[in-house]
Amino acid sequence: NAGVTQTPKFRILKIGQSMTLQCTQDMNHNYMYWYRQDPGMGLKLIYYSVGAGITDKGEVPNGYNVSRSTTEDFPLRLELAAPSQTSVYFCASTPRGADTQYFGPGTRLTVL
Amino acid sequence: KNQVEQSPQSLIILEGKNCTLQCNYTVSPFSNLRWYKQDTGRGPVSLTIMTFSENTKSNGRYTATLDADTKQSSLHITASQLSDSASYICVVSANNAGNMLTFGGGTRLMVKP
Repeated sequence: NAGVTQTPKFRILKIGQSMTLQCTQDMNHNYMYWYRQDPGMGLKLIYYSVGAGITDKGEVPNGYNVSRSTTEDFPLRLELAAPSQTSVYFCASTPRGADTQYFGPGTRLTVL
Repeated sequence: KNQVEQSPQSLIILEGKNCTLQCNYTVSPFSNLRWYKQDTGRGPVSLTIMTFSENTKSNGRYTATLDADTKQSSLHITASQLSDSASYICVVSANNAGNMLTFGGGTRLMVKP
């Protein structure tokens, strides 16, 4: 199994641009999550999904959108990039909510 | 508001020495507590996970303890190795929809030869 994969690894955006961060897992996990990690801070939940077709907001959802059309994929969309969205983004998955989460390698995003 | 506080923020120890990292939390309703290791530039990797009824759990040289009454946890690392240099993150799960996790800010450990 490849586990949780994320693309791209790095990206620089200009203010107002949009992009999609990709996340795929091949472990048939029902639960998937998107987090952001700012320097020296704990990870904060942006959105999560408990299964295909179901998504819900986390702690910091503003400025982001998600979709979950398949079990494997959970893309995160930024519509109008702002400097405050400069961060490292991690995708994670777990078979059930209470189980250990498996994290992807992260996407480092800079908005200038 | 659910919070997880970790101390110290950073720590430097010599190879072969032991160390203990602390975690205090205010998360309700409590489901479980996890310790993760995060190498620089990588995603977090689970070390241990403990439920309310568990006081201690080991994973090789890593031993985590949990006191659910005082809402404190510790991670003890024995006979440290250079590869232990990383951030250690305490994560508490609430027993709610989606089992929301609250992450601590982490302790950055550096092991020097």
